Amino acid sequence: AQSVSQHNHHVILSEAASLELGCNYSYGGTVNLFWYVQYPGQHLQLLLKYFSGDPLVKGIKGFEAEFIKSKFSFNLRKPSVQWSDTAEYFCAVNIMIYNQGGKLIFGQGTELSVKP
Amino acid sequence: GAGVSQSPSNKVTEKGKDVELRCDPISGHTALYWYRQSLGQGLEFLIYFQGNSAPDKSGLPSDRFSAERTGGSVSTLTIQRTQQEDSAVYLCASSPQGGRHDTQYFGPGTRLTVL
Repeated sequence: AQSVSQHNHHVILSEAASLELGCNYSYGGTVNLFWYVQYPGQHLQLLLKYFSGDPLVKGIKGFEAEFIKSKFSFNLRKPSVQWSDTAEYFCAVNIMIYNQGGKLIFGQGTELSVKP
Repeated sequence: GAGVSQSPSNKVTEKGKDVELRCDPISGHTALYWYRQSLGQGLEFLIYFQGNSAPDKSGLPSDRFSAERTGGSVSTLTIQRTQQEDSAVYLCASSPQGGRHDTQYFGPGTRLTVL
């Protein structure tokens, strides 16, 4: 069965530190990849997405992610985190099945705490 | 424009009661999805609607769960004879067409607590 694995459950960083959150998926076919963020008390918001083309995608708030097909990975990065980046981050895969839409399969989420 | 809205935001019910959760998608979005977010299980897909039909119900955990969508807009998720393990946040998302390159936009969720 298809699955998404996020390696870190809880990451604690100081402001200005660099961030990398790991995401691996298991599926041999074509996938679309997403990172969503959930700030405290808010709903899930799209951070960035990859459909095709340049495997390095840039999203909002200085985040970027790199799709490495050979490693089935889609890691999220940010060079310098801010306290306002404190949130839970979810990696998701959209697997298109004919006539069944594109349900998202989510990783377990990574809680990021940034200390001021 | 308006995003996805859900009601109620919180629902507390007693074991064995039926509950209805409502989702209003973004206007014009034909695709609608229900997910469940619970401790230990993360975010799980429940059901997908394209218009008023549900081509993919594979995530519904039991026959106590059902959903419908009317007028290609509002959707209702119904849980009959609720159990404590049904306690979770139920999320609704919509997307323009349900196509390969769609992005799903999520609502704020309904937190269901079954006592």
